Amino acid sequence: NFMLTQPHSVSESPGKTVIISCTRSSGSIASNYVQWYQQRPGSAPTTIIYEDNERPSGVPDRFSGSIDSSSNSASLTISGLKAEDEADYYCQSYDGSGFVFGTGTEVTVL
Amino acid sequence: QVHLVQSGAEVKKPGASVKVSCKASGYSFTTYGLHWVRQAPGQGLEWMGWINTGNGYTNYSQNFQGRVTFTRDTSANTAYMEMSTLRSEDTAVFYCAVWRNAFDIWGQGTMVTVSS
Repeated sequence: NFMLTQPHSVSESPGKTVIISCTRSSGSIASNYVQWYQQRPGSAPTTIIYEDNERPSGVPDRFSGSIDSSSNSASLTISGLKAEDEADYYCQSYDGSGFVFGTGTEVTVL
Repeated sequence: QVHLVQSGAEVKKPGASVKVSCKASGYSFTTYGLHWVRQAPGQGLEWMGWINTGNGYTNYSQNFQGRVTFTRDTSANTAYMEMSTLRSEDTAVFYCAVWRNAFDIWGQGTMVTVSS
C-alpha cells in the first residue's frame, strides 16, 4: 500500500497563511480523492475538505485544498489563521487495497 | 440527526480480547459501510478496515488481518469490533466512522487500555 507523508508540525502567527503538504509515496495523487480532517485534543476528527477541494457546509472558506500532480502531493491551505485553528490535521486517501491516513501535522498558532 | 455512539472505556490484560460496539442512529444503518480507525496515544490515525453493514462483507487492513473481527447486528443498528490477543501497544482510542464522500460521521471513540 502507499503512504501519505506530512510535515510533523507548522506554526504561524494569527492572520497569516499556512500550507500543509501531503505527499503520496506511490501511485498518482490524482487517481483517488484526498480528504483533510481537523482533530482537536480529546475529540474525534472532523472533515474540513473532501474530494480534493470541496468544503462541507459550515467549514469556513479560509480552508482550501488542492492537488499537484508534478509533486504527487495534496495541500491544505489555511488563510487568515485564527487561534481556533490550532489542532492536528490529517490528509487521507485510498486505493483498491483500502484507506490511508497521512502522518498528521500539528498546527500551532503563535 | 446522524449519530454514532460507542461503548465505554475498557481495561484489559495482555492476551485478552476486547469487543467495542458502535450504535448508529438517524439514518438507515445498512446504507453506509462502517469503518474502524485506531489512534494510539499521541499518535496518528490508522485505518483498520470496514464492514458492509448490508451484507456483512468485511475488508481488513493488512496490519490487523487475523487479529480483528468486524460484525454487525442490523436489528440493533450496531456494529462491533473485536480484537484478540491484546498487547500493550494496542492501547489506543478506537473510532467507528461512516464513509460517504469522506469519513464524515465519527463515534466519540472508545479508549482501550492494555495493561498487566
